[in-house]
Amino acid sequence: QVQLQESGPGLVKPSETLSLTCTVSGGSISSYYWSWIRQPPGKGLEWIGYIYYSGSTNYNPSLKSRVTISVDTSKNQFSLKLSSVTAADTAVYYCARHDYDILTGPGVWGQGTLVTVSS
Amino acid sequence: DVVMTQSPLSLPVTLGQPASISCRSSQSLVYSDGNTYLNWFQQRPGQSPRRLIYKVSNRDSGVPDRFSGSGSGTDFTLKISRVEAEDVGVYYCMQGTHWPVTFGQGTKVEIK
Repeated sequence: QVQLQESGPGLVKPSETLSLTCTVSGGSISSYYWSWIRQPPGKGLEWIGYIYYSGSTNYNPSLKSRVTISVDTSKNQFSLKLSSVTAADTAVYYCARHDYDILTGPGVWGQGTLVTVSS
Repeated sequence: DVVMTQSPLSLPVTLGQPASISCRSSQSLVYSDGNTYLNWFQQRPGQSPRRLIYKVSNRDSGVPDRFSGSGSGTDFTLKISRVEAEDVGVYYCMQGTHWPVTFGQGTKVEIK
């Protein structure tokens, strides 16, 4: 059974770059779409973007200028970088796998990791 | 962006009674392939979201059959035929037809 685990700093300073990695275990990263989704404390869900295992990406236009998602198939990992962060980027960040296609949403989610933006 | 509007935002329910959540989109969710990409997620307290329903009415594996989805175009409904204690949480609709993907605000289901 595939499992996803987010990792990275839990505290990032304003104006710096948030970097997270999602490690996929129990299955291959190949042949799937992979997403990053975030949830500010006590609020709803926001799609950040997705990547296909081949490396093609699509980002939410609201974040596109600051987001980079990449994949490392040799490590079975994909990553998120979000630059120039502010307090508004404080959220639980989830990585997720799409088992059918992008349009049906993720069928497998990581446990999420809280990232706080603060000096 | 397509705006997804859920109602109610809070839903107190008696155990064993039915519950219904509405989700309306600001644009039709019929995709060019003829499918409608309206999906439902459940987020139990302290847990990650979990997909329950995809493409309006298809239940995910392991989802109890007391959960059902229906609707078309811009109007959709998630129904729980008999609410159980494990159903407490926040329910989100999500549209995948238009980029960027967007979610509803969430409906909090609690036991009376």
